[in-house]
Formats: sequence, structure tokens, C-alpha cells
Amino acid sequence: DAKTTQPPSMDCAEGRAANLPCNHSTISGNEYVYWYRQIHSQGPQYIIHGLKNNETNEMASLIITEDRKSSTLILPHATLRDTAVYYCIVRVAASMEGNEKLTFGTGTRLTIIP
Amino acid sequence: DAGITQSPRYKITETGRQVTLMCHQTWSHSYMFWYRQDLGHGLRLIYYSAAADITDKGEVPDGYVVSRSKTENFPLTLESATRSQTSVYFCASSDPRVRTDSGEKLFFGSGTQLSVL
Repeated sequence: DAKTTQPPSMDCAEGRAANLPCNHSTISGNEYVYWYRQIHSQGPQYIIHGLKNNETNEMASLIITEDRKSSTLILPHATLRDTAVYYCIVRVAASMEGNEKLTFGTGTRLTIIP
Repeated sequence: DAGITQSPRYKITETGRQVTLMCHQTWSHSYMFWYRQDLGHGLRLIYYSAAADITDKGEVPDGYVVSRSKTENFPLTLESATRSQTSVYFCASSDPRVRTDSGEKLFFGSGTQLSVL
């Protein structure tokens, strides 16, 4: 799986959009970009994933650059409950024969400021 | 919707003792995982299982044993606990048969905080 690079920490004002970057310059064509977050002392929570196209769900938007070497997770209207560590992970799609494990790095600690 | 549950939530044990952490999921997910989380290291995979009676090592398997006799349970055993195994342990599950656009999600339990004295 390709390696990812994220800033160790970021702050964002409450109500503003939080933009979390992730660099994955060695990503290969069959690898997806996943985002998870971990709120203090809880298990990680899936947010969103994508391959090439930008994706949006009820939690966030994922913008993947055309060359797929980087992506940005956008929380459109950050609240205090969005304070968490956000993990960007790159890996191939699941398959019954393949290796299913996700590898988590140290992520970005996002703090929402009141 | 019971989901995935871990027990105990907190555990204190002594060096050299055997301790088992339990993980149970109600979704019949085929894949289950054990991670440990230490300050500054993110989550590291200990073991995973693709199905009942199929297990494989992750990144940091030494000192741990797993079994998967039933799909819904995936216990993690520390055969002889050491202080370096003091950590927060997370269990997770996923089912690649249930996919939308070719991506599967991991569902995590609430974790077990283990202290080895």
C-alpha cells in the first residue's frame, strides 16, 4: 500500500470549513483513498473513500487531485464534535483473496476552536 | 443493532499473567482485526482473520495469540503479559462482500485499555 503524509496537527474555527490535506504521491492505479477519524478514546470511525472522482456524503467531501497524488478531506461546517485525529489511508480495494488490512499512520490532530 | 463489542473495557494485570481480550460482532462479517494503539504510533495491526479458522499475522504479532473458531468471535490472548503490552486494543470487522463502489469499511469496537504492571 502506498505511504501517506499528513500534517501532525491543524486548527479550524468552529463553523468554518476544515480542509485536511493528504499526500500520497506513490499511489497506484488500483488504490483507493480512505479517511477515518478517531475521537478521543473511541474506536476509529469511517468517514469516506474514493478512487478518482470527488466524493461527498453526509459527513464530508473528498477531493482527489487529477494525478491522484494528493487529496483533501473537507468538513464543510466544522463543529466542536469534529475535534479528532483524522487518518488518510491508501490501499487496494478489498477482494476475497487479497490482503484486507488497513494500515493507520499517526494522522492529523484537528482541533476545532470555539 | 449490537455491532461490535469488546470486553473488558479496562483491564489491569501483572507481568507474566495470561490475559484474553474478547471481541464479538453481530454482523457476520468475514474479516476481523486486532490493533493496538500507543501514544505516537497510531494504530498498529496485530493479527487479522479472513474467516473462521483462518488467521494471519499483522505488523506486531509477537507475544499474542488469536483464534477464530466462530465467525462472530475473535479473542486476543497475551500468553505472558509484559509491560510493553500496556496499550489500548481495538477490534474491528469488515465484510468485503458488502461493498458499494469497491471499497469496504472497517467497523471498530470501543477498545480495551490494558495495563500490565
